Amino acid sequence: GEDVEQSLFLSVREGDSSVINCTYTDSSSTYLYWYKQEPGAGLQLLTYIFSNMDMKQDQRLTVLLNKKDKHLSLRIADTQTGDSAIYFCAESSGGGATNKLIFGTGTLLAVQP
Amino acid sequence: GAGVSQSPSNKVTEKGKDVELRCDPISGHTALYWYRQSLGQGLEFLIYFQGNSAPDKSGLPSDRFSAERTGGSVSTLTIQRTQQEDSAVYLCASNNRGSEQYFGPGTRLTVT
Repeated sequence: GEDVEQSLFLSVREGDSSVINCTYTDSSSTYLYWYKQEPGAGLQLLTYIFSNMDMKQDQRLTVLLNKKDKHLSLRIADTQTGDSAIYFCAESSGGGATNKLIFGTGTLLAVQP
Repeated sequence: GAGVSQSPSNKVTEKGKDVELRCDPISGHTALYWYRQSLGQGLEFLIYFQGNSAPDKSGLPSDRFSAERTGGSVSTLTIQRTQQEDSAVYLCASNNRGSEQYFGPGTRLTVT
């Protein structure tokens, strides 16, 4: 079945890089996503990557995709205290961009000043 | 409106009562999704509406859960005979084909 896994917790110091990892199982996923959830707030789409890409960079964010190993990572450069949140990776089930999202367990990123 | 809205923002109900949760998607979005976020289960897909097609109900956890979408816009998620394990934040999202899903702020349901 579909399963998306992440490590539960990551702690970094302000200014360091953060790397959040994710493994997924649905090889037909067309898009893979990273969402951010701040305390008491809704889900915010950070970035996404199309499955035929290996890497996508967007300002401080770098997404790496290893399709062979079904491994996705999100690197945040120069991590700030405002980056403290829960980060979810998600795959679109069924291979279409409008289909349901299967979310990972979420990684709590704690940024120490 | 400017974004997806949900009501109520918080709902406390007694075990065994029925509840209705409402979602107003972004105007013009053809697809609408319901998800549930709970401590034990994480973020789970519940149901998906796309235009006039039959909804994908594959994520509904039991027959106590149902949802409808009237006129292709507003959606209501109904939970009958609520149980304590139904306590969660219920999230609604909407999009058009090829675009990202925009999430609402959620309804926090507490079953006592």
